[in-house]
Parts: sequence; C-alpha cells; structure tokens
Amino acid sequence: EDQVTQSPEALRLQEGESSSLNCSYTVSGLRGLFWYRQDPGKGPEFLFTLYSAGEEKEKERLKATLTKKESFLHITAPKPEDSATYLCAVHGNQFYFGTGTSLTVIP
Amino acid sequence: NAGVTQTPKFQVLKTGQSMTLQCAQDMNHNSMYWYRQDPGMGLRLIYYSASEGTTDKGEVPNGYNVSRLNKREFSLRLESAAPSQTSVYFCASSNGGRGLIGTEAFFGQGTRLTVV
Repeated sequence: EDQVTQSPEALRLQEGESSSLNCSYTVSGLRGLFWYRQDPGKGPEFLFTLYSAGEEKEKERLKATLTKKESFLHITAPKPEDSATYLCAVHGNQFYFGTGTSLTVIP
Repeated sequence: NAGVTQTPKFQVLKTGQSMTLQCAQDMNHNSMYWYRQDPGMGLRLIYYSASEGTTDKGEVPNGYNVSRLNKREFSLRLESAAPSQTSVYFCASSNGGRGLIGTEAFFGQGTRLTVV
C-alpha cells in the first residue's frame, strides 16, 4: 500500500541552527515527489519537484534531496521567516500528501 | 495577479444545509482540484477536473458535487452538510495531470467550514 510519512511532526530551531526534515515513502513506481510550504491560515505554496534518486534542488536556504526511500529538506541557517509547516507529497499509483512538519525558528 | 481565489473564506452551516464553494483561477491552467485538510491528516483530494466539462472523483468524493463551469471556475457543492464535513477546503490549479506532475500547483487561501 502506498504511504508517505513525515518526521518529525514538529521541530523548534534557533535562528542559524541548520537541520533536516524527512519524508519517507512507499509507493509503487514513484512518478514525482513534491515539497510545499504552508503558512498558518494559507494554502500550500509549491517549493520543489524531484523525480529520481540522486536528484537535488535548491532555493535560498532550502535544499531538497531524494533517495529511493526518502526525501530530505535541508534548511541551512534558518531565519524566523522560515517558520511554517512543510508538506511532502508523492505521486505513485495515486497522489498522497504527508501530514507535514511544523517548523518554528526562534530568533 | 490574483492566482487562485476562493470564496467564502469562512462559513458556518447547520446540519442538512447546502452551500457552494467557489474557486476561480487566472493562470490559464487546464487542471483544477478540490482538497480538504483535516488535523492529523494530509490533504485529501475530493474531486479533480482536467479540463472544462470533465470531472473525476478523488479519494473522498462522497457528499460532494462539483462543476467545472469554464476554464477559470471550479465549484464544490455540499448538498446536505454533515458535521463530518467540517474542514478546511482548498482549491488548486496547475497544468499538470491528476498528480500535479512536473508543474507548479497553486493553491487558494482556503475556506474554513464548520457544520454544527
């Protein structure tokens, strides 16, 4: 059965303290893995799409990587404005969103 | 550039009442989607439309109907609201297919619906 799991559920970081968010998945034939950012009271905002193991994409302080079983969203030297919920979604036979990681960056 | 616009932003309904959530996009996208988001659960697809006049059921379609009025507009109707339909509803659009493959998907701000 296709499945996507994000960890941790919540993460608190000091400003400048780098870390990684995890998205592990079990799907039959991965067609794409997506990362979104969601601010409170707003809709998700697209960040990245990854298609194959070994692929990496970067945007400002964020870098997404993909292996055959999981994806990581690395946050380098985060700032308070990076605080948000980060959602992972995978497309196998169907399209599934994870439940997200709530990130809080403390000044 | 407005992107994806949903109305209303908030709504309270009594059990059994009906209502329509409106969604419009101005990006000339072919595909439009309705999702619901509940605490502790990922976004779940209710209905999807690949083009004007076509719709397809998603993961949780029961209790909902949709209309793709034209390329810009995609509405979601609750015929007889139930407390289990209390949720945050998001409309999205993209030029991808059912899986939003390969292209950015743009989401609206959401409609917070409470059914009492």
